[in-house]
Amino acid sequence: GEDVEQSLFLSVREGDSSVINCTYTDSSSTYLYWYKQEPGAGLQLLTYIFSNMDMKQDQRLTVLLNKKDKHLSLRIADTQTGDSAIYFCAESIGDNAGNMLTFGGGTRLMVKP
Amino acid sequence: DGGITQSPKYLFRKEGQNVTLSCEQNLNHDAMYWYRQDPGQGLRLIYYSQIVNDFQKGDIAEGYSVSREKKESFPLTVTSAQKNPTAFYLCASRLTHLNTEAFFGQGTRLTVV
Repeated sequence: GEDVEQSLFLSVREGDSSVINCTYTDSSSTYLYWYKQEPGAGLQLLTYIFSNMDMKQDQRLTVLLNKKDKHLSLRIADTQTGDSAIYFCAESIGDNAGNMLTFGGGTRLMVKP
Repeated sequence: DGGITQSPKYLFRKEGQNVTLSCEQNLNHDAMYWYRQDPGQGLRLIYYSQIVNDFQKGDIAEGYSVSREKKESFPLTVTSAQKNPTAFYLCASRLTHLNTEAFFGQGTRLTVV
């Protein structure tokens, strides 16, 4: 099964906050990432958090990490229609496998005007 | 501008043919990666290269081959042994294999006809 899990779909109204959740299984994760993918495009790194942190804020984005529950969330404040995309959570494990990125299945965010 | 470029954007292959997907970067990155993306699934690692003239199998390497003769280039060949090649292929690079941020190309959509 997947090491990183996300819900498939989230729908919000423009101006509301969006919260996208992710769970991971490997407690040795060193970095956890959020990527955004627009239709037919590659992935764009939004933000990342080191595993010894519990929160990181960057403009409209807030990342919360609950290491005990292995739960990561991305909150987007004042969600805009341009935020509609697929959001991927990923973990990087700094072991002998060499810092590979393991991705979740992605959450499709739809923002309604 | 520096970046990572994949070509072509769309590729059609007849059954039994080999095809090669191009990935070029001018970021002076040592590490390069190929991922496969299927609908509703996360990215799965096909091959990666930590440095020129070296590459390693990822999770789903069967039916694929790569080369890394130049630092800038990491082409992926989808061989006839790959039984279900229709997918979206993403190339990524990092400054080093231990670096945090991976930069992605815009992807190649391969369809078997």
